[in-house]
Amino acid sequence: EAGVAQSPRYKIIEKRQSVAFWCNPISGHATLYWYQQILGQGPKLLIQFQNNGVVDDSQLPKDRFSAERLKGVDSTLKIQPAKLEDSAVYLCASSRVASGGPLTDTQYFGPGTRLTVL
Amino acid sequence: DAKTTQPPSMDCAEGRAANLPCNHSTISGNEYVYWYRQIHSQGPQYIIHGLKNNETNEMASLIITEDRKSSTLILPHATLRDTAVYYCIVSLTGGAQKLVFGQGTRLTINP
Repeated sequence: EAGVAQSPRYKIIEKRQSVAFWCNPISGHATLYWYQQILGQGPKLLIQFQNNGVVDDSQLPKDRFSAERLKGVDSTLKIQPAKLEDSAVYLCASSRVASGGPLTDTQYFGPGTRLTVL
Repeated sequence: DAKTTQPPSMDCAEGRAANLPCNHSTISGNEYVYWYRQIHSQGPQYIIHGLKNNETNEMASLIITEDRKSSTLILPHATLRDTAVYYCIVSLTGGAQKLVFGQGTRLTINP
């Protein structure tokens, strides 16, 4: 089965510019996650979708970050305007099980998009 | 904040068993222990998870102490490709709950 796809793989922008990342999860996966990973740290969850609804966006800086998951499949994460501290790898993950499901499940991660803000 | 404590780095010789410890003294009864690893420039990869019993799969073994306050991930015959950062995570479930990553253990397999 195809894995989680992300694009672009790399992006360099100047501060105050806008940028968007795209994620295509594994087919049939109900839950989609966006994580931010700053160099030297573990990934930090930004937002979690179940189908096309938001489950958790408590750590998303909503003044500059936005995300959507149209039709419950692909997702985009946008930063507008970018700051220097947004330089990081942005990881998308998906899992089969929906929130509240009784089964344990695993998350499958894409390769990430490395963003450099100058 | 992460609920686990791991050593920042470890070394292991190729072909030997790599034993990675994790402390999770505040784990609750319905929380699982998950292990993921992240090879350089890749996204994290699921390895194994367990609740209270020891678990084994094709990648690794997970040993959880009887009081569940700590666990050990065992890679039985480490290869150079096992060089990665290993994350021990406590979570209600892996799919429906967010994963809270700590700093992990940077494991280096030496030839």
